[in-house]
Amino acid sequence: DIQMTQSPSTLSASVGDRVTITCRASQTISGWLAWYQQKPGKAPNLLIYKASYLESGVPSRFSGSGSGTEFTLTISSLQPDDFATYYCQQYNYYSGTFGQGTKVEIK
Amino acid sequence: QLQLQESGPGLVKPSETLSLTCTVSGGSISSSSYYWGWIRQPPGKGLEWIGTIYYSGTTYYNPSLKSRVTISVDTSKNQFSLNLSSVTATDTALYYCARLASSGLADIWGQGTMVTVSS
Repeated sequence: DIQMTQSPSTLSASVGDRVTITCRASQTISGWLAWYQQKPGKAPNLLIYKASYLESGVPSRFSGSGSGTEFTLTISSLQPDDFATYYCQQYNYYSGTFGQGTKVEIK
Repeated sequence: QLQLQESGPGLVKPSETLSLTCTVSGGSISSSSYYWGWIRQPPGKGLEWIGTIYYSGTTYYNPSLKSRVTISVDTSKNQFSLNLSSVTATDTALYYCARLASSGLADIWGQGTMVTVSS
């Protein structure tokens, strides 16, 4: 099984900060990597797919990069609505493994 | 606009079978472009992939759950279902159904249904 490891687990930041979250796969997944945002009591919301493609309707301050086994999600200027938990997911062969999540908290 | 809605018992006894249904509205479950899946989230924890199904009935399961999981589809009702047998307290979770693009990308989610395993 492919394991996904996110870091950090928790991140404290202020509005306007640039924020980066890292996700590492236990083996190469090419670019089959997605990022989701989840707010309390809500289902996850797709932000990024295929490592760097922005889902329709997602603000451009979100961006993704990486390939192989290492990937990053960047929020260029953190907004109040962005305080949430973020998950990476490898999706391949009709299944998907999630990272453990990164909670972005208000500093 | 496509919507998914989970339904089923909120309480299941240990050793019994958890059964949930996902009803798809605003689109056809028989679309050749998509798969359909179940994902769960224990309270306060992360997301776990359970399994995937195509409208033809082809399935793919999480290896860690494979021995206890069955996912089926009913195209006449535009529904797909999850059965998880021999449940224990560790199966207590919020269960989501989702539409899957590109083989595993969950682009539309249901709101989730909480299932508690307790006697």
